[in-house]
Amino acid sequence: GEDVEQSLFLSVREGDSSVINCTYTDSSSTYLYWYKQEPGAGLQLLTYIFSNMDMKQDQRLTVLLNKKDKHLSLRIADTQTGDSAIYFCAEAQGGKLIFGQGTELSVKP
Amino acid sequence: SAVISQKPSRDICQRGTSLTIQCQVDSQVTMMFWYRQQPGQSLTLIATANQGSEATYESGFVIDKFPISRPNLTFSTLTVSNMSPEDSSIYLCSVTDPLGQGGETQYFGPGTRLLVL
Repeated sequence: GEDVEQSLFLSVREGDSSVINCTYTDSSSTYLYWYKQEPGAGLQLLTYIFSNMDMKQDQRLTVLLNKKDKHLSLRIADTQTGDSAIYFCAEAQGGKLIFGQGTELSVKP
Repeated sequence: SAVISQKPSRDICQRGTSLTIQCQVDSQVTMMFWYRQQPGQSLTLIATANQGSEATYESGFVIDKFPISRPNLTFSTLTVSNMSPEDSSIYLCSVTDPLGQGGETQYFGPGTRLLVL
């Protein structure tokens, strides 16, 4: 099938690291993406990783890609209350984006 | 990245009526897409809006229910026809933008929040 799967909820304390996991289906996906949706807002492209990489770091964000297991993760260091949002992973299949169900990240002070 | 706006930002409609949503981009783009996000759900692609030709619909979506226009490279509309409460969703348009190494990603508008009573 073409399901991209994520756990639905994650709760962390402010200052801790958050790790959001995703499994995808298409081993030929060239790019994989993380989007962020804040309450009442549209989707914001957070970061992406090219399939020939296994890690990408961008300030507080670290993306890890395990192609063998088709597993993608997003680590947010020093998580802040402003990071509370829904995070979607997505893969490109045939020019279209297939999204996971989204992980709701709750950051408690 | 492209700046995308949508109108209206939200609306409450009566069942049986139709609503047209507009998507405006600040630069010319080849590909524009329309997505639906039902309450608490992920995004589902409705169709690809093609400039100068009919839209390409995904499985489960038909032109009679979701007619789309794409008169130029910066503008598209999606109409939700003969609405029912099941059409209550966020409707988002997106455009593609190139990344390095031959790839591309999609940037999204702010969405239109539709409630059908």
